[in-house]
Order: sequence, then C-alpha cells, then structure tokens
Amino acid sequence: AQSVTQLGSHVSVSEGALVLLRCNYSSSVPPYLFWYVQYPNQGLQLLLKYTSAATLVKGINGFEAEFKKSETSFHLTKPSAHMSDAAEYFCAVRGTGGGNKLTFGTGTQLKVEL
Amino acid sequence: ETGVTQTPRHLVMGMTNKKSLKCEQHLGHNAMYWYKQSAKKPLELMFVYNFKEQTENNSVPSRFSPECPNSSHLFLHLHTLQPEDSALYLCASSQEQGGTYEQYFGPGTRLTVT
Repeated sequence: AQSVTQLGSHVSVSEGALVLLRCNYSSSVPPYLFWYVQYPNQGLQLLLKYTSAATLVKGINGFEAEFKKSETSFHLTKPSAHMSDAAEYFCAVRGTGGGNKLTFGTGTQLKVEL
Repeated sequence: ETGVTQTPRHLVMGMTNKKSLKCEQHLGHNAMYWYKQSAKKPLELMFVYNFKEQTENNSVPSRFSPECPNSSHLFLHLHTLQPEDSALYLCASSQEQGGTYEQYFGPGTRLTVT
C-alpha cells in the first residue's frame, strides 16, 4: 500500500520568494508521483508528474519537483512566487503494482503575500 | 467542450430528494472516477470504472449509486442523503493500459444537503 505525507497544511511566502512544498511518500514499488493544484471552487489541475524517467520534473507555471528515492521525497518548488500561485496543492502517489488508485496527501494551502 | 465537464456545478437538495450528478470526459480515456472532497478531510475516492465496469467501491453508502453507460459518461445518483454528504464531488478520468496514469479532473459539483 502507498501513502503520502505533506508537511505543513499552510505555507506562507512573500511574492518573489522561493516556494517549497514538501511531500514524502511510502510505496512498496517504484511509484508514479503527481502534484496537483486546486484554485477555489475548481477541480484539481495537474502540475507535473514523475513516471521513472528524469528525476527532476518540470511542470506548468514555473513549478518543478525532484524525485529523491533515498529520501522518499518529491518536493515541489518554484524559484519566485507570484500572487496567482495562491491555491491548495496536493501530492499524490500511485504504485505500479496494479490498480488505478491515486493516494492523495491532505494538501498544503499556499498563501502569497505582498 | 474539452477536458472533463460536470453538471450541475451547484446543487442544493433536501434529504428526501433524488438527484443525479453528470460527468463527461472528452479525452478518449478508458477509466473514470468519483471523489468526495469535504472541508478539512483528504480527498476520498468513491468509485472507479475501467472500460465501463466498476472495479472499486470504497465502502460507499448505498444512497450513492454510480452508473457508467459508456467510457465517456459517468453519473452519480443520489437519494435520501444526509447533511454530512454535503461536499464537493469531483469526477476524474485517466488512460489506463498504455497511458501514464495521470488523472484529469472536472470542476466539481458543490452539493449542499439541507
């Protein structure tokens, strides 16, 4: 079985500052990993995905994430925060052992301040 | 229409009503999902359909009844709901068997049970 832990339910950064959202996973098989963003009153939008190719994955809106097997982590970063990045971010894992199920973390609410 | 669409976007219903949520995916995917998103709770997977066949039911109460007439359409029939069923209901789709398994979400239906 797989699981995801997102450290920090709320993160606040200044506009222009580095964004770092943490995600650690547990999986008995090499995983597929995903980051999603959710704006108020909307569904989840895929930001990026790791599928065992390059360990540094680039996504939309300037976000990227690095898969670190030794640390079982898949942290999301963006060099410079913009006001429009304020949203909730979800990390998700899917094991490659069969089955469609994505296991989601509890989410991190990102606030961007002037 | 593109992506995953859901109707209605908002629904208010009494506990004795019967209503249905509709989801349609325009991505040519072969798997569809229903999720429940409640405030301050992790995203809950409710049902999974692969090639129109239900392959997962996560102990969902029988007052929620899914229907998948074809690979593009998914319904969630609701009857005699409880106030605690008030939530955002999200539909998603993915391409299994040859895809990279990311799920694409619709905008959700905000359900309020009075």
